[in-house]
Amino acid sequence: DIVMTQSPDSLAVSLGERATINCKSSQSVLYISNNKNYLAWYQQKPGQPPNLLIYWASTRESGVPDRFSGSGSGTDFTLTISSLQAEDVAVYYCQQYYSTPFTFGPGTKVDIK
Amino acid sequence: EVQLLESGGGLVQPGGSLRLSCAVSGFTFTIYPMSWVRQAPGKGLEWVSTVSDSGVSTYYADSVKGRFTISRDNSKNTLYLQMNSLRAEDTAVYYCAKCGPEIDYYFDYWGQGTLVTVSS
Repeated sequence: DIVMTQSPDSLAVSLGERATINCKSSQSVLYISNNKNYLAWYQQKPGQPPNLLIYWASTRESGVPDRFSGSGSGTDFTLTISSLQAEDVAVYYCQQYYSTPFTFGPGTKVDIK
Repeated sequence: EVQLLESGGGLVQPGGSLRLSCAVSGFTFTIYPMSWVRQAPGKGLEWVSTVSDSGVSTYYADSVKGRFTISRDNSKNTLYLQMNSLRAEDTAVYYCAKCGPEIDYYFDYWGQGTLVTVSS
């Protein structure tokens, strides 16, 4: 199984400042034949289902604000919120879909400082 | 508008069974794989199972293999999860989720979830 880890567990950022979340997979999720990283990011607000933000490690889902961006390849990935807004308070999860079982990271809680 | 509506959750005793349903609308159900993902109270997300667009291929987490069965009725635009031999550790909110196009197993739409509580 591919184990996903995230850091930090939580972070508090001032409004308008940058938030950076890291995700690491225990083995590469880059499929060589198509050069795609099978890595997605989700946002989950309290009492709500998760919401897809990013797939293929860096492709923003339709309707997601451009302050959210994803980067990385192989085993190391980053979700960046360039200018934190109040509505971005949530837990963020990474997920690999390279192979079953599809696995999620433990989540990173983002709060306002 | 894409909609996924789960039903069938509730309180069940250990060893019991439940069948969850997910009625979908707003997209062509027959061409997308579908999945169930669960979240125990206060915990993270756990993938449970995925079924191919045709229903022929199914995939399960080891934690539910042999106890849960995923299926779909493409004529009714409905996804199912039959859960048998339930355990306390199966207590969670169960989300129905639409997968991406082709065999891209990220989850682009989610239902609101249905709570399953396994307790005596």
